[in-house]
Amino acid sequence: EAGVAQSPRYKIIEKRQSVAFWCNPISGHATLYWYQQILGQGPKLLIQFQNNGVVDDSQLPKDRFSAERLKGVDSTLKIQPAKLEDSAVYLCASSLGTGSTLSGNTIYFGEGSWLTVV
Amino acid sequence: GIQVEQSPPDLILQEGANSTLRCNFSDSVNNLQWFHQNPWGQLINLFYIPSGTKQNGRLSATTVATERYSLLYISSSQTTDSGVYFCAVEDNAGKSTFGDGTTLTVKP
Repeated sequence: EAGVAQSPRYKIIEKRQSVAFWCNPISGHATLYWYQQILGQGPKLLIQFQNNGVVDDSQLPKDRFSAERLKGVDSTLKIQPAKLEDSAVYLCASSLGTGSTLSGNTIYFGEGSWLTVV
Repeated sequence: GIQVEQSPPDLILQEGANSTLRCNFSDSVNNLQWFHQNPWGQLINLFYIPSGTKQNGRLSATTVATERYSLLYISSSQTTDSGVYFCAVEDNAGKSTFGDGTTLTVKP
């Protein structure tokens, strides 16, 4: 079974530029998550999709971050304009079931997209 | 929101040793999970354990929800156990919070 695919793996941009990350979840998984992990910290949930609807985006900085899930499958996360504090790993994850992030559905993570803003 | 504290922040073991990692949380939770992040950044779900005890091979976990803590036990540690172990909880509103993790290094 193919895992969660993310690209690009690494990206370096200057502040005020824009960047987009792409995620392809495991086939058939209804729920897709984007997390931000700053070095030395645990992942922070940015947005959770169930099929192509948004379940939770309470921690997404909506003035600069946006995300969409196309036809309930692939997803993109965009940052515009980027700030220095956006330097982090952006993790995409998916799970088969619906409901909350920790409701017992096994969550599968991608390898992450490493962003450095200079 | 809920505060999640993990201890110790860093742990160095010799191969074959046992260890206990702790996760304290500040309020009642609906769910709790343990994850392992390997040195290449890959996160793997270990246990879903809002209460009680579970075991999977050399790993086991216990959550005492009434006292707001969970423990992850690693027995006969191996070098492949190295990485960061995260505890993540979900509050009654469905919001999830990860702790800052315990970094485990197992030396051969």
